[in-house]
Amino acid sequence: AQSVAQPEDQVNVAEGNPLTVKCTYSVSGNPYLFWYVQYPNRGLQFLLKYITGDNLVKGSYGFEAEFNKSQTSFHLKKPSALVSDSALYFCAVRGTTSGTYKYIFGTGTRLKVLA
Amino acid sequence: DVKVTQSSRYLVKRTGEKVFLECVQDMDHENMFWYRQDPGLGLRLIYFSYDVKMKEKGDIPEGYSVSREKKERFSLILESASTNQTSMYLCASLGIYEQYFGPGTRLTVT
Repeated sequence: AQSVAQPEDQVNVAEGNPLTVKCTYSVSGNPYLFWYVQYPNRGLQFLLKYITGDNLVKGSYGFEAEFNKSQTSFHLKKPSALVSDSALYFCAVRGTTSGTYKYIFGTGTRLKVLA
Repeated sequence: DVKVTQSSRYLVKRTGEKVFLECVQDMDHENMFWYRQDPGLGLRLIYFSYDVKMKEKGDIPEGYSVSREKKERFSLILESASTNQTSMYLCASLGIYEQYFGPGTRLTVT
């Protein structure tokens, strides 16, 4: 069965420090992986995706993520955190062997960037 | 830019009422989705639709139904609202790979 795990409910980081939000997945076939961000009382905004190719993908607002097939991970990173990055982050996966477009989301990680 | 709109941002309904949540997208996308979001549970798929009049159950369809009469519009129906359906409801449409989400409807059932 497809699944996504975000092991940390919350991540705290000081402004200016690098940040990492973790995601691991389980899917049969080649995974399509995504990160979304949600600001308070808003819908989800797409940040970045991995479909194929280079394992390091770059996205919006200076975020990047590294696809690691052997560890089945897709961690979100940013070299220097901003207070405005504080939000709820979701990892999602779509398995390419599925006949329908169902996406599985993690439970979310709340990122707090402290000034 | 893709735009996904939802009919209400906040809604308060009474137990037993029939509730309609509407979602409209402007990008001619074939696939549309309804999720509910609850703290600690992430997003859970209620229903999705891959074409007009076509629908498929998600992981938690009980107590819900959907309607897709036009390509741009996907409606979620709570036939008889209950307090355990108090939640944030998110609609999404699917581009080539990524989903585009509406702003959400926070539904409270009292």
